[in-house]
Amino acid sequence: EDQVTQSPEALRLQEGESSSLNCSYTVSGLRGLFWYRQDPGKGPEFLFTLYSAGEEKEKERLKATLTKKESFLHITAPKPEDSATYLCAHSGSARQLTFGSGTQLTVLP
Amino acid sequence: DTAVSQTPKYLVTQMGNDKSIKCEQNLGHDTMYWYKQDSKKFLKIMFSYNNKELIINETVPNRFSPKSPDKAHLNLHINSLELGDSAVYFCASSPGGSNTEAFFGQGTRLTVV
Repeated sequence: EDQVTQSPEALRLQEGESSSLNCSYTVSGLRGLFWYRQDPGKGPEFLFTLYSAGEEKEKERLKATLTKKESFLHITAPKPEDSATYLCAHSGSARQLTFGSGTQLTVLP
Repeated sequence: DTAVSQTPKYLVTQMGNDKSIKCEQNLGHDTMYWYKQDSKKFLKIMFSYNNKELIINETVPNRFSPKSPDKAHLNLHINSLELGDSAVYFCASSPGGSNTEAFFGQGTRLTVV
């Protein structure tokens, strides 16, 4: 069964304190691993797509990496405006996105 | 310009009623979706619609039905609403299939009383 497990559920960081969010997945025939950001009361906002193990993508303070079993979202020197829920999802042979339950990130000034 | 827009943003209705949520995308995407986000913030696919091919999540009750008048619109009709249908519903679109990034609307918070 296709699954996505994210950890931790919640993470509080001081401004400038770098950390990583984890996304473990099981899927038949990975077609894409996605990261989204969701702010309260809004829809998820696309961040990255990764397609194969070893692939990395960066955007400002965020960097996403992918292995055959996990993906990490590394946040370098976060700012309060990075506070949000970060969602991981994958697409497999079922041709549907399966989402994890998210990591709620709070960055304190 | 809003890429994926859905209306209404809030919907409060009584049990047993029938309601619709509208969704429009101006991105020229081929695939549209409906997702349900429950109180624990868990996003679950309900439907995907691509070139008249409808893929239905088997867990979705048949009281829910998507209607696509054209490629840019995918509306969600819900019959005989139940308390458990209360959730936030998101419309999304993507340029290709599920291996391409999806763009989401702002959500419709449905409350059934």
